[in-house]
Amino acid sequence: KQEVTQIPAALSVPEGENLVLNCSFTDSAIYNLQWFRQDPGKGLTSLLLIQSSQREQTSGRLNASLDKSSGRSTLYIAASQPGDSATYLCAVRPGGTASKLTFGTGTRLQVTL
Amino acid sequence: GAVVSQHPSWVICKSGTSVKIECRSLDFQATTMFWYRQFPKQSLMLMATSNEGSKATYEQGVEKDKFLINHASLTLSTLTVTSAHPEDSSFYICSARDPSTDTQYFGPGTRLTVL
Repeated sequence: KQEVTQIPAALSVPEGENLVLNCSFTDSAIYNLQWFRQDPGKGLTSLLLIQSSQREQTSGRLNASLDKSSGRSTLYIAASQPGDSATYLCAVRPGGTASKLTFGTGTRLQVTL
Repeated sequence: GAVVSQHPSWVICKSGTSVKIECRSLDFQATTMFWYRQFPKQSLMLMATSNEGSKATYEQGVEKDKFLINHASLTLSTLTVTSAHPEDSSFYICSARDPSTDTQYFGPGTRLTVL
């Protein structure tokens, strides 16, 4: 059974810092991995999707990497801003015919002024 | 990014009534949609996977007769909570997968309160 863990569970940084969020998964046979953010009381916003054949994806100040063989992904946020404060979730989609995502435990990020 | 809408965004109903929540993919045709529920400070829990034109696949422990899912078109799925009770109060979130990019997009959620 796939298990997805995110470290740290919570993180508080001052504005402007670069930071790294970690995601690890136990079964490397994945189809893709997706990073989301969730603001309190809201749905999830898709940030980046990395296919299993890719090593990284970038969007603005965000960069996500994937090391499938070691079961790890990182989300790098450059020059953090208070608006980045949210819970960040990684989710893996398994290979084969199964299509449902397995979500990580989440990292709650607070960026302070 | 692509947009998935949900309606209503919140609803309050009396115990015993039924509530329907709509989920629409606005920018793409979604052959697969998903329904989740989320309790405060907890992770999303998948309730069912809905494929257009066929019956939904429910997760273990989710009552199919209580949570009716209809995926009548490639852009619309509905979740009907039948005979709602206070314990059904939760945040319900739908999701749709864009088959052209494999990206899964989520709606803004519907907060259901059953009195």
